[in-house]
Amino acid sequence: DAKTTQPNSMESNEEEPVHLPCNHSTISGTDYIHWYRQLPSQGPEYVIHGLTSNVNNRMASLAIAEDRKSSTLILHRATLRDAAVYYCILSDQQFGNEKLTFGTGTRLTIIP
Amino acid sequence: DAGITQSPRHKVTETGTPVTLRCHQTENHRYMYWYRQDPGHGLRLIHYSYGVKDTDKGEVSDGYSVSRSKTEDFLLTLESATSSQTSVYFCAISDLAISTDTQYFGPGTRLTVL
Repeated sequence: DAKTTQPNSMESNEEEPVHLPCNHSTISGTDYIHWYRQLPSQGPEYVIHGLTSNVNNRMASLAIAEDRKSSTLILHRATLRDAAVYYCILSDQQFGNEKLTFGTGTRLTIIP
Repeated sequence: DAGITQSPRHKVTETGTPVTLRCHQTENHRYMYWYRQDPGHGLRLIHYSYGVKDTDKGEVSDGYSVSRSKTEDFLLTLESATSSQTSVYFCAISDLAISTDTQYFGPGTRLTVL
């Protein structure tokens, strides 16, 4: 299974951009890159996903390296509500059924 | 928010007793998943379903069984609960294959096995 590596924790100031890195050097050509986040005492929630091109949505942007061995989740203007654990995940296809394998993620702290 | 409910939300039980957790969805999504979350391990997939009566094992399936007799319900059963199964259990759903779709998660069930 392709794995991801993320820093255990990061801090950022409120109202500033946040760049959350993820390394996935063994990614295969068909693996999508997914980001989820988990707020305290809640289930994970979808943030963004992509394959090769950079992606933007209302929550964040995903920048994917040209060789696809790393990616960065960008929160353009952090708020206190963005304090969460962020998971970078590669989809894992086996026997035609795809699964997500979560790691331990990056705990993001927002400083007021 | 996606219509996913889990019941019960909290349960305390004793070692050796059977326990069934229920996940109910109102989205008519094809795929359903059960995860457990423990400190230091992130979320780990227990079992998943890709259709009614179609299920498969995840990475930590030992000691668990599942059933899906209707699209909207996915049951997780611990036949004989052990203390190592104390955890927070999350159900998730998706409509299409993971690579092209989003997983929506339920609120979780906190299970304590004494």
